[in-house]
Amino acid sequence: TQLLEQSPQFLSIQEGENLTVYCNSSSVFSSLQWYRQEPGEGPVLLVTVVTGGEVKKLKRLTFQFGDARKDSSLHITAAQPGDTGLYLCAGPNYGGSQGNLIFGKGTKLSVKP
Amino acid sequence: KAGVTQTPRYLIKTRGQQVTLSCSPISGHRSVSWYQQTPGQGLQFLFEYFSETQRNKGNFPGRFSGRQFSNSRSEMNVSTLELGDSALYLCASSLGLAFSTYNEQFFGPGTRLTVL
Repeated sequence: TQLLEQSPQFLSIQEGENLTVYCNSSSVFSSLQWYRQEPGEGPVLLVTVVTGGEVKKLKRLTFQFGDARKDSSLHITAAQPGDTGLYLCAGPNYGGSQGNLIFGKGTKLSVKP
Repeated sequence: KAGVTQTPRYLIKTRGQQVTLSCSPISGHRSVSWYQQTPGQGLQFLFEYFSETQRNKGNFPGRFSGRQFSNSRSEMNVSTLELGDSALYLCASSLGLAFSTYNEQFFGPGTRLTVL
């Protein structure tokens, strides 16, 4: 069974600080996605990484896919209160009856002004 | 264009009752997936419908069922509700099958179900 483990589970920082959250698996994924979910809303896709070693940037957010395609990281530079939310990673599972996308349990980020 | 809509947004039921949740996908999207989100288990896949056919199913008991109509709108039903069914139920729509790498899923705001 493919699993995605995210760390840390919770993160509380001050505005302006940098942070990195991680998404790890013992399985190889063809791609990984990162979502952000704000209270009362559904997750919103931030990025999809496909190639091992790939780095994608979205303003102050930098996403990296591990060379072996088993892990990914999200780095936020100079965090702002608007970055507060639940960050989820997800990957496709093609096997058995496990479904289409499997999600990590997320990192809950709180950025205080 | 309008996003994914889910109704109702909040629901309170008692054990043993049944419930039906509705999801209207983005116009033109043929795939609708349903997920259950709880603090302990996170987001878990329930099932996916594409062109009115169930294409994939997660590890949930048969009390959880769904269907999709010809206009791609989808409903999910939970019978004989249990306390552990309390969760946020999310639906997501996409143009093609959701597991395809380049198929972006768009999530609705969810239905918060509380079972007393």
